[in-house]
Amino acid sequence: DGGITQSPKYLFRKEGQNVTLSCEQNLNHDAMYWYRQDPGQGLRLIYYSQIVNDFQKGDIAEGYSVSREKKESFPLTVTSAQKNPTAFYLCASSVQGDSYEQYFGPGTRLTVT
Amino acid sequence: RKEVEQDPGPFNVPEGATVAFNCTYSNSASQSFFWYRQDCRKEPKLLMSVYSSGNEDGRFTAQLNRASQYISLLIRDSKLSDSATYLCVVPNTGTASKLTFGTGTRLQVTL
Repeated sequence: DGGITQSPKYLFRKEGQNVTLSCEQNLNHDAMYWYRQDPGQGLRLIYYSQIVNDFQKGDIAEGYSVSREKKESFPLTVTSAQKNPTAFYLCASSVQGDSYEQYFGPGTRLTVT
Repeated sequence: RKEVEQDPGPFNVPEGATVAFNCTYSNSASQSFFWYRQDCRKEPKLLMSVYSSGNEDGRFTAQLNRASQYISLLIRDSKLSDSATYLCVVPNTGTASKLTFGTGTRLQVTL
């Protein structure tokens, strides 16, 4: 089955620790994205990548880092510099960089205490 | 005006009812629009695309009013399974790939 997987589904961390969220896709999509969703707010773009070995900051990149070493994988690291890391994190992919139809993974719910 | 604005709801409707949501957008240059559906604590899934005046898929109709800068989603003969949050999505013009998501409108269909 083709799709996007994110792991883990739930993640708990202590404040001050970096944490890496996994995102893998086998759809052969070029572009991948990371969003966070907070209650009462729309999805906000953290980082996106249109091609391997290249990525751009989104609207709220501070406190996050990404890498895109393989087409299938786009891990997101939430660093200790992120002031409010507790959120629902969603990874998405699309066929091309300018395709607006994005397909989402099931998300990772991160809680930092 | 916000980039994308939606009434958060909730819209509580009985099964079989017709319900409509509106979404306003600020960028008059936007050419395409999307409605995504998001179930509670799940990922968003593409419901419909709107590239011109409108689009119809079964019980769902999306319409675009460029003059007033809004898109609407009409659901006919509501089912219990239609209960979800509906997200209005507008691509950022001039920047490939970036989408602006509305906060969503919550629909609850009841017996």
